[in-house]
Amino acid sequence: DQQVKQNSPSLSVQEGRISILNCDYTNSMFDYFLWYKKYPAEGPTFLISISSIKDKNEDGRFTVFLNKSAKHLSLHIVPSQPGDSAVYFCAASRVPDDMRFGAGTRLTVKP
Amino acid sequence: GAGVSQSPSNKVTEKGKDVELRCDPISGHTALYWYRQRLGQGLEFLIYFQGNSAPDKSGLPSDRFSAERTGESVSTLTIQRTQQEDSAVYLCASSARINGELFFGEGSRLTVL
Repeated sequence: DQQVKQNSPSLSVQEGRISILNCDYTNSMFDYFLWYKKYPAEGPTFLISISSIKDKNEDGRFTVFLNKSAKHLSLHIVPSQPGDSAVYFCAASRVPDDMRFGAGTRLTVKP
Repeated sequence: GAGVSQSPSNKVTEKGKDVELRCDPISGHTALYWYRQRLGQGLEFLIYFQGNSAPDKSGLPSDRFSAERTGESVSTLTIQRTQQEDSAVYLCASSARINGELFFGEGSRLTVL
């Protein structure tokens, strides 16, 4: 069952502009959400997270927004840079269970 | 090294053979996960170990798949009688705590001919 969904398989953005990656989940019991970034031939690496008690978490150019009523979260990258080009995975978990990932969105930032 | 280590990095096998994939988590990490990524697809959860608790095997796709972990150390994922559909990158990740950040290995790429 696909509990975490990323409906956009790809996104292309001009350098300097905002990138917005979206993620939807179905399980209202999820209480912790994360974004991971993956370059080719490498394992995913942690980017940013948010607890369900918050609606926003910011780390430099990266901001994650959580809308619990809509079961939706998004990752904003401002300004986007060519080095941000990668596949971004949304993940969700609930204590004490495992972490589930979306299918990923491939971001391409054009110079 | 200090990261999650997986071996082999690449494995080519014939249909019907058994394969074993190994994961060395970061020392002290109590949680260990196995995921699978087929070509062009996302991360598919397979199995989760947390300390000495019974593993969550809910993601294993068939009884040909099994995994073991000794204490809080090495884990092995075994695929018996491999099929072509098993071809994927198998990723292992470990975490210091529940809901903690996952640290991934570079994956084991399995190709079943």
